[in-house]
Amino acid sequence: DAKTTQPPSMDCAEGRAANLPCNHSTISGNEYVYWYRQIHSQGPQYIIHGLKNNETNEMASLIITEDRKSSTLILPHATLRDTAVYYCIEDYGGATNKLIFGTGTLLAVQP
Amino acid sequence: EAQVTQNPRYLITVTGKKLTVTCSQNMNHEYMSWYRQDPGLGLRQIYYSMNVEVTDKGDVPEGYKVSRKEKRNFPLILESPSPNQTSLYFCASSYRGPSYNEQFFGPGTRLTVL
Repeated sequence: DAKTTQPPSMDCAEGRAANLPCNHSTISGNEYVYWYRQIHSQGPQYIIHGLKNNETNEMASLIITEDRKSSTLILPHATLRDTAVYYCIEDYGGATNKLIFGTGTLLAVQP
Repeated sequence: EAQVTQNPRYLITVTGKKLTVTCSQNMNHEYMSWYRQDPGLGLRQIYYSMNVEVTDKGDVPEGYKVSRKEKRNFPLILESPSPNQTSLYFCASSYRGPSYNEQFFGPGTRLTVL
């Protein structure tokens, strides 16, 4: 089972920043946090991942708390095309060779 | 363009009629995997392959077979499909395993078994 906890849904106004929270209180020291998103029934798309430092790429920023028990994905200027289910995933790594997807957060960007 | 392709994208079939869903990637990735997605159950891994001729079961392998004869291809075989295999299927690949590597997903195959 997924070990991360995310709100089931969130709304965001177009052009505003979308801040998606994730709790991963049982994460161990060498486990990464990954974010993927899935736009309606399409294949999931990688967004970003991090270990303990904040990360930024062309899509988003990832803020990880100092105790690593939670993180926030930030989409700085949400557009209608960012409407999707966002998955926060603890990396179980080499032991299982898989990522365990939970139920994610449905982000609805409103015009 | 780097991509994972799946065929067919949509398939309606009948119980017991063998079928194969193909998956191909053009990124020279070692790791490939199959997932199924069902409402309320999320994405669940069926099988994965760490490299050519190396495959292993995921969480829900019953009723499925795979093969990895070439690095680029990872077909999913349903020898005798049943209605409970009606689902949305995704193939994925990454340079190594999913740890520390971005997984690239295919567009999905929607399978209906009558």
